[in-house]
Amino acid sequence: AIQMTQSPSSLSAFVGARVTITCRASQGIRNDLGWYQQKPGKAPKLLIYAASSLQSGVPSRFSGSGSGTDFTLTISSLQPEDFATYYCLQDYGYPRTFGQGTKVEVK
Amino acid sequence: EVQLVESGGGLVQPGGSLRLSCAASGFTLSNFWMTWVRQAPGKGLEWVANIKEDESEKYYVDSVKGRFTISRDNAKNSLYLQMSSLRAEDTAVYFCARDKTYYFESSGYYYDALDIWGQGTVVTVSS
Repeated sequence: AIQMTQSPSSLSAFVGARVTITCRASQGIRNDLGWYQQKPGKAPKLLIYAASSLQSGVPSRFSGSGSGTDFTLTISSLQPEDFATYYCLQDYGYPRTFGQGTKVEVK
Repeated sequence: EVQLVESGGGLVQPGGSLRLSCAASGFTLSNFWMTWVRQAPGKGLEWVANIKEDESEKYYVDSVKGRFTISRDNAKNSLYLQMSSLRAEDTAVYFCARDKTYYFESSGYYYDALDIWGQGTVVTVSS
C-alpha cells in the first residue's frame, strides 16, 4: 500500500498567519491527491482535488501544490473557522490511503 | 439538497455482524462510485472500501478483506456495508462518501475525490 506521511502532526498559529502542511507519498502518485478538513464531531470536507484544484465553495485562501511524491496545502491567512484537522488522501492506487492528519490549533 | 445519511450502527459483540446503510438523496447514485471511510475514537481517517457504479469493481483495505462486503442498490439509491467477524479494532464512526470523478480536458486525465459525505454512524464492538 502507498504510505502517506503528513507533517507536522500538529501546529499552533495566530489568526492571519500563513500555514503550510505537507504530505509525502511513498511512491509517485501523479497529481492524484486530495486535501480534506475535519472539525470535531463532523464529517470531513473536501478542500482540494487533483493536488491543486479548489473545490467549489472553498475560500481562495486555501491552495494546494505538488506532484509525484511531495504535496503541500497552504492556508494564506488563517481564519478562526480554519482551526481543524487536515488530511491528505491519495487516489492513485488501492487501497486508498490517508495521511495521519495535521491538527491546526489557535496560538 | 445533495445528501448522504448513514444508519445501522450500534453495539455488537466481537465476532458478530452488522449491516450499515447509506441513503443518498438529491443526486442519482448510479452515476457515481461510492466509498466507506471509518475513524476510530481519537484517531485519523481510514479508507475502508469503494464500489463502482455497476458493482463490477470493489476494493477493500487489507484489514477488512474477507470480513466486510460493500454493495449497492441503485434502484433504492442506497449503499451498504455488510460487516462480519467484527473485532474490537473495527470500533469507529463509519462515513459513506460520494466519489466524484473530475476530467481535465487539458491533460486527458481523470481525478477522483470524495466530495459529499454523510454524518457518520457509530459502530462499537465490545462484549
